[in-house]
Amino acid sequence: DAGVIQSPRHEVTEMGQEVTLRCKPISGHDYLFWYRQTMMRGLELLIYFNNNVPIDDSGMPEDRFSAKMPNASFSTLKIQPSEPRDSAVYFCASSPGVSHGELFFGEGSRLTVL
Amino acid sequence: DQQVKQNSPSLSVQEGRISILNCDYTNSMFDYFLWYKKYPAEGPTFLISISSIKDKNEDGRFTVFLNKSAKHLSLHIVPSQPGDSAVYFCAASPLYGNKLVFGAGTILRVKS
Repeated sequence: DAGVIQSPRHEVTEMGQEVTLRCKPISGHDYLFWYRQTMMRGLELLIYFNNNVPIDDSGMPEDRFSAKMPNASFSTLKIQPSEPRDSAVYFCASSPGVSHGELFFGEGSRLTVL
Repeated sequence: DQQVKQNSPSLSVQEGRISILNCDYTNSMFDYFLWYKKYPAEGPTFLISISSIKDKNEDGRFTVFLNKSAKHLSLHIVPSQPGDSAVYFCAASPLYGNKLVFGAGTILRVKS
């Protein structure tokens, strides 16, 4: 079975440009999470969805960040405009619909904003 | 304010010896705790978990201990192997819901 698929794996862009990260969760998983990993703060939860509906976006840094889940098999995280401090590895994870369900992570998208 | 803290950024251990990774949490609403392991250029993968009704859970070479009164948990790896070299993340979740809060991670290096 395919795991969580993220694209692109690497993105280098210039400050002010729009960045779109994509995620395909594991089929049948009801929950989808976006995390950001930085050296200082480790893995931070940005937003999560249940059945395509955003449940908690309190971790989204600011209005420059937005996330959508138009259907059960696709989600995007968009940064517009991007800034150098957004440079990080962004992980998408999915989980079946049970409490304390184990999260299954994708391989991450490494973003560098120059 | 970090609700889950891993105060040791890195740990170096000799092959065959015990590795002990520590984690502290502040939110008393957390009732389920997990450890994830991450290799470079890969996503984190689940390693072991423990419910707050237990104080120990064992899976092969990996044992997690929970001290609720101290709000502290630890991961023991015995014996440590070079393939265990990775970043280890501690995570916690409340009684209801799937929202995992992660620590900053500890880099483990097992020397052969």
